[in-house]
Amino acid sequence: QSALTQPPSASGSPGQSVTISCTGTSSDVGHYNYVSWYQQRPGKAPKTMISQVSQRPSGVPDRFSGSKSGNTAFLTVSGLQAEDEADYYCSSYTGSNNLWVFGGGTKLTVL
Amino acid sequence: EAQLVESGGGLVQPGGSLRLSCGDSGFTFSRYWMDWVRQAPGRGLEWVANIHPDGDQKHYVDSVRGRFTISRDNARSTLYLQMNNLRVEDTAVYYCATEDGTFDPWGQGTLVTVSS
Repeated sequence: QSALTQPPSASGSPGQSVTISCTGTSSDVGHYNYVSWYQQRPGKAPKTMISQVSQRPSGVPDRFSGSKSGNTAFLTVSGLQAEDEADYYCSSYTGSNNLWVFGGGTKLTVL
Repeated sequence: EAQLVESGGGLVQPGGSLRLSCGDSGFTFSRYWMDWVRQAPGRGLEWVANIHPDGDQKHYVDSVRGRFTISRDNARSTLYLQMNNLRVEDTAVYYCATEDGTFDPWGQGTLVTVSS
């Protein structure tokens, strides 16, 4: 199973909005609503920001939102803050032998 | 609040073995699928394996199938990953995580380095 496709980088100024895409196939992102987004700061474990396409866990700011269209999922960060600078990864359930697949990661820079 | 703590990482030669452990506190370990996810230095996340709450179903990524074995001891609330015939490309930080429609929570990770 190939990794999901994410842009390697994204950026925005404080207060702006940025959207990161995550493209899979009709066998993973397009078929299941088990798409999640994780934030990872250097040297730290990933933190779940969005689960099941658009669910925001307790404690995650409502500036973070998720959506899906066809085989592509999206993470939108509104009102960018300096603390949002991190790597972001998407994941999807595949239902195949390799049950879960991740995107290659997107480095978000707050200008 | 749930907390997972991994241990057992270290330096091992190619062809060697290691056993990772992941202990939990704060949640009902035996109710959930549990997973291992790894991250090679400077690289992205890669799902490695998971195991059913009862331990009777296990799945692996192609690159480790036949070499790695995932297991669990619900009485001790501990998850394991037995890694045999290790390769240089297995070098990574290994995270354990609870799977419930997403991976959450995650442990802090343990570093496995395979090198001669």
